[in-house]
Amino acid sequence: EIVLAQSPGTLSLSPGERATLSCRASERINSNYLAWYQQKPGQAPRLLIYGASKRATGIPDRFSGSGSGTDFTLTISRLEPEDFAVYHCQQYSSSLWTFGQGTRVEIK
Amino acid sequence: QVQLQESGPGLVRPSQTLSLTCTVSGVSISSGDFLWTWMRQYPGKGLEWIAYISSSGSIYDNPSLRSRLSISADTSQNQFSLTLNSVTVADTAIYYCVRVLLIRGVPDSWGQGTLVTVSS
Repeated sequence: EIVLAQSPGTLSLSPGERATLSCRASERINSNYLAWYQQKPGQAPRLLIYGASKRATGIPDRFSGSGSGTDFTLTISRLEPEDFAVYHCQQYSSSLWTFGQGTRVEIK
Repeated sequence: QVQLQESGPGLVRPSQTLSLTCTVSGVSISSGDFLWTWMRQYPGKGLEWIAYISSSGSIYDNPSLRSRLSISADTSQNQFSLTLNSVTVADTAIYYCVRVLLIRGVPDSWGQGTLVTVSS
């Protein structure tokens, strides 16, 4: 099983600031099969990024993904009020899909 | 516009069977472009992939749940279902049915989720 470790657990920032979220895998993720999701209270997760760096349909360009191998990053260039939420990473490289434990981005 | 809707009991007794159905509208589950998937989310945010069934009926499931798990599809009703036997309090979670786009390997549509509580 590929274990994904997200850091930090909580990120306290102000609107307009840059957010950098990390997702580290216990083993190499092939073909960069790594996705990022945003989740707000009471809602299902929403796909932001797939293939490590490809934005999903309708996702603003302030969201970007990068990385390869075992280290991946989600960057939100300038936080908007609606961006304060929980973010999950997920790998679909192995036949057993797994998620990280999530990073909460909260208003400072 | 695809829509997925979970249905099933919100409370299940320990050792009993959890059964959920996902009704899909807007697309046929017989379409070869998708994997019809169950995921769950524990209180406090952790997400877990449970299983998926393809349009051809192939099933892939989480090994940690395999001995208790069954997934099936009813194309006449455009539904797919999940059965989990011998539940414990650790199975308490929000259960989501999800459409995974085969060409990308990631979900593009989620149901709203249904909370299942295992309690006596």
